[in-house]
Amino acid sequence: EVQLLDSGGGLVQPGGSLRLSCAGSGFTSSSYAMNWVRQAPGKGLEWVSAISGSGDITNYADSVQGRFTISRDNSKNTLYLQMNSLRAEDTAVYYCAKGMAAAGAGKYFDYWGQGTLVTVSS
Amino acid sequence: EIVLTQSPATLSLSPGERATLSCRATQSIGSELAWYQKKPGQAPRLLIYEGSNRATGIPARFSGGGSGPDFTLTISSLEPEDFAVYYCQQRRSWPLTFGQGTRLEIK
Repeated sequence: EVQLLDSGGGLVQPGGSLRLSCAGSGFTSSSYAMNWVRQAPGKGLEWVSAISGSGDITNYADSVQGRFTISRDNSKNTLYLQMNSLRAEDTAVYYCAKGMAAAGAGKYFDYWGQGTLVTVSS
Repeated sequence: EIVLTQSPATLSLSPGERATLSCRATQSIGSELAWYQKKPGQAPRLLIYEGSNRATGIPARFSGGGSGPDFTLTISSLEPEDFAVYYCQQRRSWPLTFGQGTRLEIK
């Protein structure tokens, strides 16, 4: 059974940093793209970042480009999101989401973590 | 960036009725569209991918259709557990984008 466990959220001041983690099980990590998707309070879903199965290709939303870094450790089946220069508008529940494949359909999300709340406030 | 516009914003129906939700893209995206269901406090759930393929474990009452810029999600006969917010998402180009959502509420 595929499971994803998000962690690392919390309260951080504007300009601060936080690192999210997502531990996966039940699938071969390197065979699938992985993503982060967020939902701000009262808002819709927003895709944040994606990484290929091998970890050599990454993509970012314009809103986080240059501030967030996605990475993965396939030996630990773990996905990360390093978030720097955080802003109030980054406040959201962050979900890790598994792609359906390594590429192509890997841009659809078939399994999701339970979400971790990031609050950026002074 | 491909913008997805969903309509209506809110749909009020009763259990047993048929629901039709729409999603329109600002450019042709072939069939490269998915639909998700989102309930409060839960992670989103993939329903449909590549426009019309049901994801694993999704009941047959959910169906997707359309291509190019216009897509629909149809729920043939609403069950009480179907009342939620529904999002479309395109994979045609980066950045991946979601529609703003349609809230399906009990009438």
